[in-house]
Amino acid sequence: SQTIHQWPATLVQPVGSPLSLECTVEGTSNPNLYWYRQAAGRGLQLLFYSVGIGQISSEVPQNLSASRPQDRQFILSSKKLLLSDSGFYLCAWGEYSNQPQHFGDGTRLSIL
Amino acid sequence: AQKITQTQPGMFVQEKEAVTLDCTYDTSDPSYGLFWYKQPSSGEMIFLIYQGSYDQQNATEGRYSLNFQKARKSANLVISASQLGDSAMYFCAMTAGGTSYGKLTFGQGTILTVHP
Repeated sequence: SQTIHQWPATLVQPVGSPLSLECTVEGTSNPNLYWYRQAAGRGLQLLFYSVGIGQISSEVPQNLSASRPQDRQFILSSKKLLLSDSGFYLCAWGEYSNQPQHFGDGTRLSIL
Repeated sequence: AQKITQTQPGMFVQEKEAVTLDCTYDTSDPSYGLFWYKQPSSGEMIFLIYQGSYDQQNATEGRYSLNFQKARKSANLVISASQLGDSAMYFCAMTAGGTSYGKLTFGQGTILTVHP
């Protein structure tokens, strides 16, 4: 069966520090991968998606970037974090648009 | 572009009663999918139910059913026989178009509280 792992679960970072969140998927090949961000009490906003190795599409301009160095690995990064980058970050994978996406457990990021 | 609207910030229901969570959507694409997810306080996103735009019948999954009214562009979630464990945030979401790569557009969510 397929599983998705996302870490760390919680992260507290100072403003201006770098960021690296990692997500890996097991049990499937060439999945579509997604990074979402959720502000407190709000819906999820799609940040990036990837349909293959090295293929990244950005949905919103921001201080973040994403990479897919391997088929089942998706990384969210920043060189210098801003206060506005705080939030709950969720990684997800999917195969077809008529099937549900499956989410990781999320990372709660606090910027001080 | 797609848009999902959930107009109920919070809903209350008595245990064992049914509750309907509202969702309206907007898209110009004739092919789309509608999803409902549950998010407990722990933060995980749990898939509940799916409805395709060409599906003739309303989707059902156990105690969950989706009241799909295409002409009104609504996709309400009905939870029958509510349980205390149903207390959570509920999100309506959609994908649209063959080249959307499954990207989900989410509504703002509805917080459901089940009272004993």
